[in-house]
Amino acid sequence: DQQVKQNSPSLSVQEGRISILNCDYTNSMFDYFLWYKKYPAEGPTFLISISSIKDKNEDGRFTVFLNKSAKHLSLHIVPSQPGDSAVYFCAASRSGSARQLTFGSGTQLTVLP
Amino acid sequence: DSGVTQTPKHLITATGQRVTLRCSPRSGDLSVYWYQQSLDQGLQFLIHYYNGEERAKGNILERFSAQQFPDLHSELNLSSLELGDSALYFCASSPVAGGGSPLHFGNGTRLTVT
Repeated sequence: DQQVKQNSPSLSVQEGRISILNCDYTNSMFDYFLWYKKYPAEGPTFLISISSIKDKNEDGRFTVFLNKSAKHLSLHIVPSQPGDSAVYFCAASRSGSARQLTFGSGTQLTVLP
Repeated sequence: DSGVTQTPKHLITATGQRVTLRCSPRSGDLSVYWYQQSLDQGLQFLIHYYNGEERAKGNILERFSAQQFPDLHSELNLSSLELGDSALYFCASSPVAGGGSPLHFGNGTRLTVT
């Protein structure tokens, strides 16, 4: 049972345009959501997070949106840069679970110059 | 550099064997988490230790075990290895046992069972 789903295995975007990565979850107990970026031969790197008490969180070029009623979150990258090309993982956890993250399967983002 | 160190980077072994993966958390972090990433899949939570004590278990097989030592480094022991155990094994650390800060991951150990 996949509790966190990333339905797009890959996404290609032109440099300078917006990248939108999507994530759906099924467990309504999740209340903390994160995005990680992963380059080949490296571990996942924390990018941005959002608590369920918010619906938006921004950090520079990265914005995460949370729609609790739809159990959906998205990561917007504006403007996209070639260095953003990586696998992006959505992850979720719930209070009291000691940060046991449940990960999606990842989306490979390719930013074309 | 996340500050989390995992050794070895690569490990090739045969079915039925036993291996030990090692993780040194970031300085000051008390929590260590182990995750497994099989081909084209997301990371699956295996086990969590906080300050030497096991705090939670996820999808960890009985053939697998872990411990966290007084110096806070952790080891993941995989025994009676099967072909399906081939995967990337990641260690992550955080300062606390619960919420508040994201996990910081090491670069992983790639295990190949032949």
